[in-house]
Amino acid sequence: DAGITQSPRHKVTETGTPVTLRCHQTENHRYMYWYRQDPGHGLRLIHYSYGVKDTDKGEVSDGYSVSRSKTEDFLLTLESATSSQTSVYFCAISELLTGSHEQYFGPGTRLTVT
Amino acid sequence: EDQVTQSPEALRLQEGESSSLNCSYTVSGLRGLFWYRQDPGKGPEFLFTLYSAGEEKEKERLKATLTKKESFLHITAPKPEDSATYLCAGARGGSEKLVFGKGTKLTVNP
Repeated sequence: DAGITQSPRHKVTETGTPVTLRCHQTENHRYMYWYRQDPGHGLRLIHYSYGVKDTDKGEVSDGYSVSRSKTEDFLLTLESATSSQTSVYFCAISELLTGSHEQYFGPGTRLTVT
Repeated sequence: EDQVTQSPEALRLQEGESSSLNCSYTVSGLRGLFWYRQDPGKGPEFLFTLYSAGEEKEKERLKATLTKKESFLHITAPKPEDSATYLCAGARGGSEKLVFGKGTKLTVNP
């Protein structure tokens, strides 16, 4: 398994509270991604990073921000959580240097906003 | 807009009954078509990358093929442990972003 951990693995929070999810990798891969997975929608990209302090938006970025201050850590923040952000969140990593471009996924964080 | 569509949404097979899953795509300048397996409560697990039409890749009972418009995941003589959701994703040329289909949930009964 790729060395990717996500924390917390489960979280219940109230509407309007800030939430930060953490993704940590030990592979030294350049690219990191945050996805959400919902029934009927599949996996959708929220934000991604192509290097330390280099990030860009995905297709469902509204209400989310990210930060990457170290190669190994990629943080996803919900500034003011809403019920529509109840979902399972996956982090993924990839590295162009391998030539194959595939992404490897972490175990996921199940977030419930009440 | 890039799109990836998978069919069927769900498939039930008897053990040993071979079948195929379909992934049709409209991705500009496709640079790679990816297949993943996802078990309940876990993250997607990488299976294959296909880069050009005509390419095939195999792993145990799985074989993935690619044409200019679609990809197939052929499952030969499946076993109950092959039960999972199979995801297909495409990436356009010059982009590291993947566009995923909604998946096919495969159930193999003993």
